[in-house]
Amino acid sequence: GAVVSQHPSWVICKSGTSVKIECRSLDFQATTMFWYRQFPKQSLMLMATSNEGSKATYEQGVEKDKFLINHASLTLSTLTVTSAHPEDSSFYICSATDPGGGETQYFGPGTRLLVL
Amino acid sequence: GQNIDQPTEMTATEGAIVQINCTYQTSGFNGLFWYQQHAGEAPTFLSYNVLDGLEEKGRFSSFLSRSKGYSYLLLKELQMKDSASYLCAVGRGGGYQKVTFGTGTKLQVIP
Repeated sequence: GAVVSQHPSWVICKSGTSVKIECRSLDFQATTMFWYRQFPKQSLMLMATSNEGSKATYEQGVEKDKFLINHASLTLSTLTVTSAHPEDSSFYICSATDPGGGETQYFGPGTRLLVL
Repeated sequence: GQNIDQPTEMTATEGAIVQINCTYQTSGFNGLFWYQQHAGEAPTFLSYNVLDGLEEKGRFSSFLSRSKGYSYLLLKELQMKDSASYLCAVGRGGGYQKVTFGTGTKLQVIP
């Protein structure tokens, strides 16, 4: 149980384009999903907390207008990187908590974004 | 603020036992997680400690001392596939179950 999927797993795009990443909880309803970013050889940095039906809560220093988060249903959250630039190239990982599983976060497989 | 410390790298021999330590100072504490992350992959859940003491799960055990702000992950009978980064993370609660991750300990298992 507690499987989280992400799509796509790899994205290569030109600078200035927007990229949408989907995160789905496959076998449970996730009221809360989290979006992280991880640069090479660094730890996961929380970008935002996403709650179904409400606005996302962004961490300090994360531009909410650049990283648009939509949590439209209990099983789907999307992250859109708007007007991506090379410095946005990173490993983006979502996670979700299973209400029946306490605080444990289950991670999706991640999306590797390369902006040229 | 949040401060989580763990060694950057460790090396251990196949079949041996290794202990990865983690100390933390955080505002708000609900429990401590250990995750395993292989290179290029997302983290996978290993353990969650809320109360003081040792929790054993197969070859992996995790210990917590809340009063000391200290935890360790113990890996027994090391296998080559255990080579990975091990992330210590503190659950901060606060309604949205936020978790703060340490920078991870890269473990290399050698023959």
